[in-house]
Amino acid sequence: ETGVTQTPRHLVMGMTNKKSLKCEQHLGHNAMYWYKQSAKKPLELMFVYSLEERVENNSVPSRFSPECPNSSHLFLHLHTLQPEDSALYLCASSQGPGANVLTFGAGSRLTVL
Amino acid sequence: GESVGLHLPTLSVQEGDNSIINCAYSNSASDYFIWYKQESGKGPQFIIDIRSNMDKRQGQRVTVLLNKTVKHLSLQIAATQPGDSAVYFCAEGEGTSNTGKLIFGQGTTLQVKP
Repeated sequence: ETGVTQTPRHLVMGMTNKKSLKCEQHLGHNAMYWYKQSAKKPLELMFVYSLEERVENNSVPSRFSPECPNSSHLFLHLHTLQPEDSALYLCASSQGPGANVLTFGAGSRLTVL
Repeated sequence: GESVGLHLPTLSVQEGDNSIINCAYSNSASDYFIWYKQESGKGPQFIIDIRSNMDKRQGQRVTVLLNKTVKHLSLQIAATQPGDSAVYFCAEGEGTSNTGKLIFGQGTTLQVKP
């Protein structure tokens, strides 16, 4: 596989469930990101990891918990979400953490009931 | 505060015509700009980028123009094709930032009429 792969592509969960989104990049990049894409809103940066260390957390509620076990994998653990958290969650990677080209995955469409 | 915006939420063009998608930014410190295309059901795909030391950059059928004086960015698509139908996002960033933070605009939907 090449590029950035996200699983699952679609997820429906109740507010009391615990689930995880997974992202894997096959590009040899050193930085990985989680973005949230909601209807009629710009892409919102949630988390940035550089060399497996979190370098930015954009005031994201604690019900979203990222994990980066190595430079190729990134997870977003979800717990006690709210209906307004329903969105497309995009993972991206880049060569380094400086402002440069991000390669995005196809996204995980999350619906919270 | 910072904001990146596109002038029109939707642009409709005839197949074969040229398309121009505009973007305004507000952060004078931004020195890196990038355009993405997002088709339905897919993630954003890189089109072209430009740094602030340039006014113009060309790719295959696309040109990005940067006017730092009025903080304006545009994407020109030559001979627009049905496959160009998508949402187009501009984004700005600061090269000195060590977090790779790109601020995205809301997007313009390009509709290509056959």
